[in-house]
Amino acid sequence: ETGVTQTPRHLVMGMTNKKSLKCEQHLGHNAMYWYKQSAKKPLELMFVYNFKEQTENNSVPSRFSPECPNSSHLFLHLHTLQPEDSALYLCASSQAGGRDEQYFGPGTRLTVT
Amino acid sequence: AQSVTQPDIHITVSEGASLELRCNYSYGATPYLFWYVQSPGQGLQLLLKYFSGDTLVQGIKGFEAEFKRSQSSFNLRKPSVHWSDAAEYFCAVGAPSGGSYIPTFGRGTSLIVHP
Repeated sequence: ETGVTQTPRHLVMGMTNKKSLKCEQHLGHNAMYWYKQSAKKPLELMFVYNFKEQTENNSVPSRFSPECPNSSHLFLHLHTLQPEDSALYLCASSQAGGRDEQYFGPGTRLTVT
Repeated sequence: AQSVTQPDIHITVSEGASLELRCNYSYGATPYLFWYVQSPGQGLQLLLKYFSGDTLVQGIKGFEAEFKRSQSSFNLRKPSVHWSDAAEYFCAVGAPSGGSYIPTFGRGTSLIVHP
């Protein structure tokens, strides 16, 4: 596989469920990102990891818990979500410390019922 | 803090017509500027970027953008639009943060192409 992959592509979960989103990049990058994309709103940066260390958390509720076990994998653990958390969740990667662009995965469409 | 304004929510053009999508940014230092495109059901793909040098930047798929510091603008252009260009277009300005350049995105402009 090439580029940035995300699984699952679609997820429906109840408010009491626990699920995880997975992102994997095959580009040799060392920075990874989670974004939330809701209709009619700009992309919201959620978390940033550089060399497996979290360097940014944009006041994201604790019901979202990121995990970055290595530079190629990024997870977003979800629990006790709210309907307003329904959105497209995008993962991206880039070279850390440089001015390179981000490479995005196709996203996970999350619906919270 | 940096910000990006894309004043047009929707743009409708006929196939073969020229296109210009507007982007204005606010950033105190030299900006790093990007245009991304998002097709339905897909992630964002970089069209072009500006860091320094020539203010007219060429990108993929026949797109170009011009950086105008005096107007704080980075408008995207294409001389002849194809039906496959219908998508959402995002302008972004990058600022250094925690070892990377984190882009701030605009709200996006939806391009509709009529046959």
